[in-house]
Formats: sequence, structure tokens, C-alpha cells
Amino acid sequence: QQQVKQSPQSLIVQKGGIPIINCAYENTAFDYFPWYQQFPGKGPALLIAIRPDVSEKKEGRFTISFNKSAKQFSLHIMDSQPGDSATYFCAARRNFNKFYFGSGTKLNVKP
Amino acid sequence: DAGITQSPRYKITETGRQVTLMCHQTWSHSYMFWYRQDLGHGLRLIYYSAAADITDKGEVPDGYVVSRSKTENFPLTLESATRSQTSVYFCASSEGQGVSGELFFGEGSRLTVL
Repeated sequence: QQQVKQSPQSLIVQKGGIPIINCAYENTAFDYFPWYQQFPGKGPALLIAIRPDVSEKKEGRFTISFNKSAKQFSLHIMDSQPGDSATYFCAARRNFNKFYFGSGTKLNVKP
Repeated sequence: DAGITQSPRYKITETGRQVTLMCHQTWSHSYMFWYRQDLGHGLRLIYYSAAADITDKGEVPDGYVVSRSKTENFPLTLESATRSQTSVYFCASSEGQGVSGELFFGEGSRLTVL
């Protein structure tokens, strides 16, 4: 049983578009919700993260929207660029060290 | 700054053989983790360690063994490899119970079991 459900599995957008990736969870014990970005042949790297007491966090072109009552959170990428083409994973953490990852979204930004 | 390194990066083995994947970090992070990455499943935690000589099971520990005699090393052993263990394995570390809890990943070890 997957603790964090992520959609869509893949996404294609034109340069300048705003891809949105969604995640949902059930366990209310989760206290930290990061997004990781992974390029082919590399390990995932932290992109942006949010805590459940905040509804939105923005870092550059990346924004997390968090809906605590719905147990959902999403990643928006403003003015997307071909260099943003990568696989994105949402995650949720409990007990300080147990991270549960979504299944990943492969994003392709076309020039 | 080396960070976290994994070896080997690529490994082909046969069913029933023992395989050890190595992980070394230079940050003195308390926590270390092993994940496997499979299409459609994302990253699943195999084992983690809170400190030297302290290890615990994750979501999918069956068929794997870990040890952590030194803070900087966290090897993962497949005692008798099976085809279902064909995967990309990522080692990660974190400072532990800090505010950010950021995971730092290695570049992965791609294992094929024939």
C-alpha cells in the first residue's frame, strides 16, 4: 500500500507552460513534505519542501501548494524550461527519518 | 567535497550469488538509508541506520542485510540475489532530527540479476 500517491505518471508541456504534479497522503503523522528532482543517471536532489502549517511555499519558479484538510499537495513550475525536464518525486516524512516517496512524474518540457 | 559515493555504479550478477553495494559519506551525517528505485514504485526504503551499530528495517527489507560499523560506511548485502532484486539502488544520508531533514542521495548503483 503506497503511503503517498502521485499523479500524473508523465507530463509533456511546451516551454513557458505551467506543469502541475499532484500528491495525496492519508497518514496525518507526516510532518514534512519535500519534492525531489532527478535527472537521468543521477540521484534525486531536494528541490523544495513545505511543512503542514503553511499553505504555500515559493522558491524561484517552483511553488508548493498544500491543502491540509484534503491531505493533498502539489508542485507548480512557472515558466517551465527544457532544463526542467526530469523526474519529480513528492515525499512525506514522519518520525524525523522515515520518508515515503510517490511513484514519480516524468516531465518533458518541449522547446 | 566528495559527499556520498556508491560503488559499484553498475553490477551484473547471477541468481543465488551474494552481492554487496558500498556506500560512503564524508559529512559525518548520523542517518544513512538504502532505497531501491523501480518504475511505478518510486523510491522504497530498504533499511536505515540512525548511527553506527544501529540499523532498522524499512518498507522492503526481505532479502537484504546491512551493517554500520563506522559512521561513514553503510554497505548493503544481497545474500542470495534474485531477479526481483534487479533495480537501481540509492544510498542517502541526512543530519538526522534537524529542522530540514534533507536527504542527500548518491548517484545510484544499477544492479541486474540474471
